[in-house]
Amino acid sequence: DADVTQTPRNRITKTGKRIMLECSQTKGHDRMYWYRQDPGLGLRLIYYSFDVKDINKGEISDGYSVSRQAQAKFSLSLESAIPNQTALYFCATGVKGKETQYFGPGTRLLVL
Amino acid sequence: GENVEQHPSTLSVQEGDSAVIKCTYSDSASNYFPWYKQELGKGPQLIIDIRSNVGEKKDQRIAVTLNKTAKHFSLHITETQPEDSAVYFCAAPWAGGGADGLTFGKGTHLIIQP
Repeated sequence: DADVTQTPRNRITKTGKRIMLECSQTKGHDRMYWYRQDPGLGLRLIYYSFDVKDINKGEISDGYSVSRQAQAKFSLSLESAIPNQTALYFCATGVKGKETQYFGPGTRLLVL
Repeated sequence: GENVEQHPSTLSVQEGDSAVIKCTYSDSASNYFPWYKQELGKGPQLIIDIRSNVGEKKDQRIAVTLNKTAKHFSLHITETQPEDSAVYFCAAPWAGGGADGLTFGKGTHLIIQP
């Protein structure tokens, strides 16, 4: 969905490096989410945010941190990347009171 | 937290035939069950969803059924077409309501044979 953009789309980094993945949305949605997708494992929730001041851990938050800089921006950071964080990362948005989530195109991350 | 199991992992059907994908969930309190379609190189997109107060929902060639007692729900696609080829994911609320985030099944790769 072009209303949810993720940068970069592809990233290669080395073990131990700090990396930030960014998500921006023009939908005006208050809720934003980060998921991780591994082959054969579906998507798993990392963090979610209901608004700028409300950030919550998801199923697999260890090794990750997030920042909600504005209603439209939600960043995911890997403080010290490790190879098993190699995955496809998706940002999603949602509207308060509704469960439907709208996904961005994803960021493919490779940690060497 | 919720656990969602999905099968089959791969499903190949002839164009024009029907396809059925099944999911089970573990938390009897879950009340929202969406299905997402993911095409190659894209993010998942919602195609249909159902709430626990409804047993079936249809949208043209797509339908979802829910059996709360058995804790399973299924996606039915009739008159399959080449553009239906994709990976399909079922999901349920990760914890509390669906707005808190979703737990996804492992996905079904649907292949439509010409």
